[in-house]
Amino acid sequence: KAGVTQTPRYLIKTRGQQVTLSCSPISGHRSVSWYQQTPGQGLQFLFEYFSETQRNKGNFPGRFSGRQFSNSRSEMNVSTLELGDSALYLCASSPIMGMNTEAFFGQGTRLTVV
Amino acid sequence: ILNVEQSPQSLHVQEGDSTNFTCSFPSSNFYALHWYRWETAKSPEALFVMTLNGDEKKKGRISATLNTKEGYSYLYIKGSQPEDSATYLCASASGAGSYQLTFGKGTKLSVIP
Repeated sequence: KAGVTQTPRYLIKTRGQQVTLSCSPISGHRSVSWYQQTPGQGLQFLFEYFSETQRNKGNFPGRFSGRQFSNSRSEMNVSTLELGDSALYLCASSPIMGMNTEAFFGQGTRLTVV
Repeated sequence: ILNVEQSPQSLHVQEGDSTNFTCSFPSSNFYALHWYRWETAKSPEALFVMTLNGDEKKKGRISATLNTKEGYSYLYIKGSQPEDSATYLCASASGAGSYQLTFGKGTKLSVIP
């Protein structure tokens, strides 16, 4: 069974540009969550999708957005990139709706904004 | 406690030593507590998900306990091995209607051969 796949693995962008990151969950998983990790910080929750609906959003500006497709694949978009957006972005999938089951993480996309 | 806090931030132990870490989380509206192991250049991997006060779970040499009334969980590693070197993360979920995990900053364990 294939794991959670995130593409691309590494990305360098310039301030002001926008970026789209992709996450393919484990087959059959319908919940996809996104997290940001910056140096010295824990994983910060961005948003969670289930069956194409965003159910929760973290405390991030509107420049961060996401969506989920009918096949459960998810994308997140960051517009007008800032230097502080440089981070590791992780997505995680799980099979059911609640948080009483483990999440399966991808290896992340390392975004560098210059 | 508003956030999830982990201690210590890092520790070094000798191979064969046993060790433990602490995770403190908000006890109000508790729903679930997760532990993950994150090795360098790999994905975080789930160790345990616990939901009931007094829960104890074990996987090989690693075990965890949960106290939801006071808002803490302990992770124990017995007879540490170099392959146990990793960052150990805990995360809490509050409320059955919440679909997010709040993570601590992790405890980085280094096991010296």
